Amino acid sequence: DGGITQSPKYLFRKEGQNVTLSCEQNLNHDAMYWYRQDPGQGLRLIYYSQIVNDFQKGDIAEGYSVSREKKESFPLTVTSAQKNPTAFYLCATSGWNKGGSNQPQHFGDGTRLSIL
Amino acid sequence: KQEVTQIPAALSVPEGENLVLNCSFTDSAIYNLQWFRQDPGKGLTSLLLIQSSQREQTSGRLNASLDKSSGRSTLYIAASQPGDSATYLCAASTGANNLFFGTGTRLTVIP
Repeated sequence: DGGITQSPKYLFRKEGQNVTLSCEQNLNHDAMYWYRQDPGQGLRLIYYSQIVNDFQKGDIAEGYSVSREKKESFPLTVTSAQKNPTAFYLCATSGWNKGGSNQPQHFGDGTRLSIL
Repeated sequence: KQEVTQIPAALSVPEGENLVLNCSFTDSAIYNLQWFRQDPGKGLTSLLLIQSSQREQTSGRLNASLDKSSGRSTLYIAASQPGDSATYLCAASTGANNLFFGTGTRLTVIP
């Protein structure tokens, strides 16, 4: 999706290493999300943030950490505590309509993380 | 917890056919339901979003319907084209726009 940049596209991690995945957006969206996608499974929510300096755990937050210091940025750190980090990671953003209903989520092109 | 199921897992059709993809969800207390398209190795592209108060949404050759009481949504694709080949995902939204995804239907349109 134009306006959401995920980097790098491919990332390799050694055992015991922490790695950070970048997600930057210029859509002026308040909400940002991190998902993990594994083969044969749907996307699963790791963390989400609805506003700067605030974030919430999703369904599979263990072994991950995030920060939201700026509206445009929502980096995800995969820590050594995450025992099975190999997956495709997707960042998404969304805004709000004036009536309070949700706008569609927009996705970046993803980062594929592999264990060396 | 919301569970979303998509049937079939894979579908092949000849070019020009109309087709229907199915999505079911277990908890009818949803805020909205979204349909996405995913090409191999890429992120998701939003196709249609149906708010909980709506019954259907249309965009070009795509039409999505929502029946909350039965926990079902369908995506209708008219006059399919080879360029429609992709994986189609549905996702049901609870509060804060948290999405629960199905595992997708992989569509192949044969020229």
